[in-house]
Amino acid sequence: QLQLQESGPGLLKTSETLSLICTVSGDSVSSSGYYWAWIRQPPGKGLEWIASVYYGGNAYYNPSLKSRVTISIDTSKNQFSLKLSSVTAADTAVYYCARQSVRSTPRLDYWGQGTLVTVSS
Amino acid sequence: ESVLTQSPGTLSLSPGERATLSCRASQSVSSNYIAWYQQKPGQAPRLLIYGTSSRATGIPDSFSGSGSGTDFTLTINRLEPEDFAVYYCQRYGSSLWTFGQGTKVEIK
Repeated sequence: QLQLQESGPGLLKTSETLSLICTVSGDSVSSSGYYWAWIRQPPGKGLEWIASVYYGGNAYYNPSLKSRVTISIDTSKNQFSLKLSSVTAADTAVYYCARQSVRSTPRLDYWGQGTLVTVSS
Repeated sequence: ESVLTQSPGTLSLSPGERATLSCRASQSVSSNYIAWYQQKPGQAPRLLIYGTSSRATGIPDSFSGSGSGTDFTLTINRLEPEDFAVYYCQRYGSSLWTFGQGTKVEIK
């Protein structure tokens, strides 16, 4: 059974860099046909896709966050990660990692449980 | 950039009733690229429907999706107590993933 688990600091200060890791079990991040994605959800609000990465290193980003975001993948550890620089209170959210099928019918078919990141001054 | 608008914002229904949720795109979308997710409080979203009308693994046939062009619908027949949740539509296109703002289905 595929499982994804987010990990990283839960509390940051304004202007710091958010760093999260998603550890995948039950599948390989090198599996063809799948990207690996980060999505976030501010408290009480909707979902926002952040970025996606393929095991070959190809990545793409939400234009609204692109200047501050880096996504990467480590096939040796079966993990992928997210870095978001210069955080503000607006970046406070639950951050989810997910597997992204990009076959003819793209979808986010497996999700981690999410991790809350709070940014305070 | 294509925007997804879901309606209504909140749907108040009783168990056993049918729920009809709408998702409208600001630009035409391939039917392959529309999905629906269910989210319960404190939980991650769960994939329900992909490719407009295909049910994900383990999703009961009380859930169905339809639509084309700019108008898409999620229908839940005979609401069960566990179906009361927030539902999001989602579009993939031009290397972007966009979500609607969600529809909350609450117990009347």
